[in-house]
Amino acid sequence: SQQGEEDPQALSIQEGENATMNCSYKTSINNLQWYRQNSGRGLVHLILIRSNEREKHSGRLRVTLDTSKKSSSLLITASRAADTASYFCATDGIGGFKTIFGAGTRLFVKA
Amino acid sequence: NAGVTQTPKFQVLKTGQSMTLQCAQDMNHEYMSWYRQDPGMGLRLIHYSVGAGITDQGEVPNGYNVSRSTTEDFPLRLLSAAPSQTSVYFCASSYSRQVSGNTIYFGEGSWLTVV
Repeated sequence: SQQGEEDPQALSIQEGENATMNCSYKTSINNLQWYRQNSGRGLVHLILIRSNEREKHSGRLRVTLDTSKKSSSLLITASRAADTASYFCATDGIGGFKTIFGAGTRLFVKA
Repeated sequence: NAGVTQTPKFQVLKTGQSMTLQCAQDMNHEYMSWYRQDPGMGLRLIHYSVGAGITDQGEVPNGYNVSRSTTEDFPLRLLSAAPSQTSVYFCASSYSRQVSGNTIYFGEGSWLTVV
């Protein structure tokens, strides 16, 4: 069963606009991560946020975490065509030995 | 840096055949795992290992076997391929056996079609 669910499933924006993706999860977590997957490639780690953090930044990425609502959001500012990819949130599985991925948000940035 | 290397990249199998997907990492990571990715389903964990000689089941282990005889290698065996196993398979590794909170490094994927 999936722990995280991303919303929306797909998002299409113009270059320069901001893109916001959301992730909701079901059970308490210690950490939440976001990954990116370019078409036909493996996933690449973007950013990790711990349960005691509310916001984290990395370059044009901003991640928030609301543990009371069991949700996280990933904001990509000033998007570029090269940001076109699928984005996944990943949360802890039971015992800390598993990482559970959501179904992903497909982002398409039009030049 | 090679990172996580998977072979083969593409494979077509007939129903009932067996095969092994190879995975190797050169980062001395304790944790290794296999995921399958299907449209609209995200990645689902098949099996994982927290060190040489130690393996455990993930969400969808049926029809697959794994072993971890060395730190570097973590092959995935399909025992008797079925069309439902048509998928993209990803091998992944992480530094710590406690994968929670640690970056996971992925291979480039293996596209498997069972006819």
